Amino acid sequence: QVQLKESGPGLVQPSETLSLTCTVSGFSLTSYSVSWVRQPSGKGPEWMGRMWYDGDTAYNSALKSRLSISRDTSKNQVFLKMNSLQTDDTGTYYCTRDLSTTVVTPFDYWGQGVMVTVSS
Amino acid sequence: DIQMTQSPASLSASLGETVTIECLASEDIYSNLAWYQQKPGKSPQLLIYYANSLNDGVPSRFSGSGSGTQYSLKINSLQSEDVSIYFCQQNYDSPPTFGAGTKLELK
Repeated sequence: QVQLKESGPGLVQPSETLSLTCTVSGFSLTSYSVSWVRQPSGKGPEWMGRMWYDGDTAYNSALKSRLSISRDTSKNQVFLKMNSLQTDDTGTYYCTRDLSTTVVTPFDYWGQGVMVTVSS
Repeated sequence: DIQMTQSPASLSASLGETVTIECLASEDIYSNLAWYQQKPGKSPQLLIYYANSLNDGVPSRFSGSGSGTQYSLKINSLQSEDVSIYFCQQNYDSPPTFGAGTKLELK
């Protein structure tokens, strides 16, 4: 069955870089796109960016200068790196599978999420 | 970015009742609207996409409707397991954007 699982540090120092890994199973990264979505506690989710099925990337313009998404198809993994973290980057980070290959799409599967706290 | 405004922010209803949650987009999104359910401590789950298409495995008591800028999620015969936060999301223009959520509790 389709599964996505995020991994990475739960605590990041201000101004440091966040590195997260999404490991997927039950589908191919060359057939489906994977997005990263984050959610501050008690607030609505925010789309961060996408690794397209063809290897291209797309980013939320609000985060583009700090964000990088890459993948390793042989390991079924998608990676997120975001630099210059601040306290308002605290929240739960999810990787999700895109329902379709259109430019903007719902997300039909979500990982369990990883809670990231930015604090010294 | 397209702004999504949900109402009400919170809602209290009794078992068996019918509830409706509204979502207003800042511009026409041509039915490119999804609804998610997020149970306490869990990740969001897709309920409805393209305004009225039920995702696989979602009970038929959930339904979506709307067009243009105004959309709604209706839950018939409320069950205890429906206690959740519900989010709408527009999928018309990038970046996809979410509403702030509606918290549904039992009365």
